[in-house]
Amino acid sequence: LAKTTQPISMDSYEGQEVNITCSHNNIATNDYITWYQQFPSQGPRFIIQGYKTKVTNEVASLFIPADRKSSTLSLPRVSLSDTAVYYCLVGEAGGYQKVTFGIGTKLQVIP
Amino acid sequence: DAGVIQSPRHEVTEMGQEVTLRCKPISGHNSLFWYRQTMMRGLELLIYFNNNVPIDDSGMPEDRFSAKMPNASFSTLKIQPSEPRDSAVYFCASNEGGPEVGQFFGPGTRLTVL
Repeated sequence: LAKTTQPISMDSYEGQEVNITCSHNNIATNDYITWYQQFPSQGPRFIIQGYKTKVTNEVASLFIPADRKSSTLSLPRVSLSDTAVYYCLVGEAGGYQKVTFGIGTKLQVIP
Repeated sequence: DAGVIQSPRHEVTEMGQEVTLRCKPISGHNSLFWYRQTMMRGLELLIYFNNNVPIDDSGMPEDRFSAKMPNASFSTLKIQPSEPRDSAVYFCASNEGGPEVGQFFGPGTRLTVL
């Protein structure tokens, strides 16, 4: 299983762009990268998933360099409601490998 | 769609009692996951079902824990007997693929064992 490493916490002011980087040095060829968001007292919510280069949706962008050993979740112009824990996961598409959520990155958005 | 439904939302019980947590996955999803979340260990995968069959139960902490999925629309996680260290939030999630595909989580059941 590819292990992931993220910063434990980050602070950002409202309106700024936030980039959270996840390291996954031993990512396998068939592994996809998935990010989740969790608010207090709620279950995690799927944000975005990608394999390489860049993926963008209405919530965030995911940047994956050519070597795929890291990935960066980018949140444009964060608001107070983006305060949450963000998890980076790596897992094989179509396989049954267990994915581990880890501790995640606690993002605190400051007014 | 109502999303993943879990019941009860809160459960307080005494040590030694049997606890049953329930989950209704999103209709059409063929995979179901049970997780446990605590401050100390974060979010842990307990068991994963695909097409109602348990695929990976290596995360089940011990024999006191058991999970069933009798049909595509219902699953239970049972703890018997319960212990104070089982206190946690238990989440159920579902999707149309395996663990690597985006999962839809329920609101969770907060279990307190006194």
